[in-house]
Amino acid sequence: AQKITQTQPGMFVQEKEAVTLDCTYDTSDQSYGLFWYKQPSSGEMIFLIYQGSYDEQNATEGRYSLNFQKARKSANLVISASQLGDSAMYFCAMREGLDDKIIFGKGTRLHILP
Amino acid sequence: NAGVTQTPKFQVLKTGQSMTLQCAQDMNHEYMSWYRQDPGMGLRLIHYSVGAGITDQGEVPNGYNVSRSTTEDFPLRLLSAAPSQTSVYFCASSYPGTSDINEQFFGPGTRLTVL
Repeated sequence: AQKITQTQPGMFVQEKEAVTLDCTYDTSDQSYGLFWYKQPSSGEMIFLIYQGSYDEQNATEGRYSLNFQKARKSANLVISASQLGDSAMYFCAMREGLDDKIIFGKGTRLHILP
Repeated sequence: NAGVTQTPKFQVLKTGQSMTLQCAQDMNHEYMSWYRQDPGMGLRLIHYSVGAGITDQGEVPNGYNVSRSTTEDFPLRLLSAAPSQTSVYFCASSYPGTSDINEQFFGPGTRLTVL
């Protein structure tokens, strides 16, 4: 079974609209962390936001927020007021367990339309 | 700080050849890992290390070896390259999960083609 599931292979969104990228995860650990990364066409991996499993508030970083719903095992990324520069691949990832390994989902390609 | 560095940036191999992808970090991170990225597959974990002298297998370890003799370096070895190993390889490092600093830092990637 996949540990990290991103169900949207691709999305098209009009500039200035808000975007929600879906991510569900599977773990039996109580302690884990969830990440979102952005990969533009240039190929580098850019860290966006992190949510720990014990964090009671949703993480926010500028225009990015993480909608963390623990009972549903969901960690959706919300981008407010999308910009053309947001067009990229977005990856959800999870760090779990004592061995610390970090597993990624398959990604969502986001296209922002002018 | 240079961050995470990877060499080479590009490499072409023939089937059966061996090579080592180099990865180094200067942030004193305990955790280091190798991923491969293929179209439609996301990033898949090959091997990882939680400290010098300690390595473990990830999701797709077959055909790859690693060692971690120092905190700074985490080389990835392909003993006998196969066309299925054509991919982009990323090295990453971070503090352990118990740290307050949670970001995993990535290198720029190595694009490997096996003919």
